[in-house]
Amino acid sequence: GQQLNQSPQSMFIQEGEDVSMNCTSSSIFNTWLWYKQEPGEGPVLLIALYKAGELTSNGRLTAQFGITRKDSFLNISASIPSDVGIYFCAGLGGDDKIIFGKGTRLHILP
Amino acid sequence: DSGVTQTPKHLITATGQRVTLRCSPRSGDLSVYWYQQSLDQGLQFLIQYYNGEERAKGNILERFSAQQFPDLHSELNLSSLELGDSALYFCASSVSGGAVDTQYFGPGTRLTVL
Repeated sequence: GQQLNQSPQSMFIQEGEDVSMNCTSSSIFNTWLWYKQEPGEGPVLLIALYKAGELTSNGRLTAQFGITRKDSFLNISASIPSDVGIYFCAGLGGDDKIIFGKGTRLHILP
Repeated sequence: DSGVTQTPKHLITATGQRVTLRCSPRSGDLSVYWYQQSLDQGLQFLIQYYNGEERAKGNILERFSAQQFPDLHSELNLSSLELGDSALYFCASSVSGGAVDTQYFGPGTRLTVL
């Protein structure tokens, strides 16, 4: 079946640094989604991408839908302590079923 | 607060038992989704309902079943529980259940099977 490979699995960065994470697949997706999950909470949608090549920002977050439709990345600029959490990518394929990556756990050192 | 509520927050039970998880969608949302989140498998889509009818099925085991009631709340029933069923179970809701609808997730139910 379809799978998403999300990397890195975890990151330890200094406050103020930029962060980059990505998702790749051998399958084509029509929509890419990026979610953030904080402890004790459900995932919250950060950015949705609907077109190959699309670059979308949400504050300090920027995500891109790869032109091959098989990958997406998420960048966070000037990280702050409240950015801590698990970031998930998700893809919607032709069957409209959502597939999630296994997440990137972001840790921020003071 | 997403507006999606789930009860109970925690559930501890024994192997072989049956449990029911409950979800109330956001006001006005017609579609409900169930997901299982475990450490090794990540977030897995189980099943989706729209206005009381099953719309899509994911990796849901035969021991699991769900339904959406006329008031749009949903229940996920897990039976003959196994140790491996221990996980976080999330419910999400969306307005119309369309593929690109934004899904709003509840806080989850943590199920522990001993």
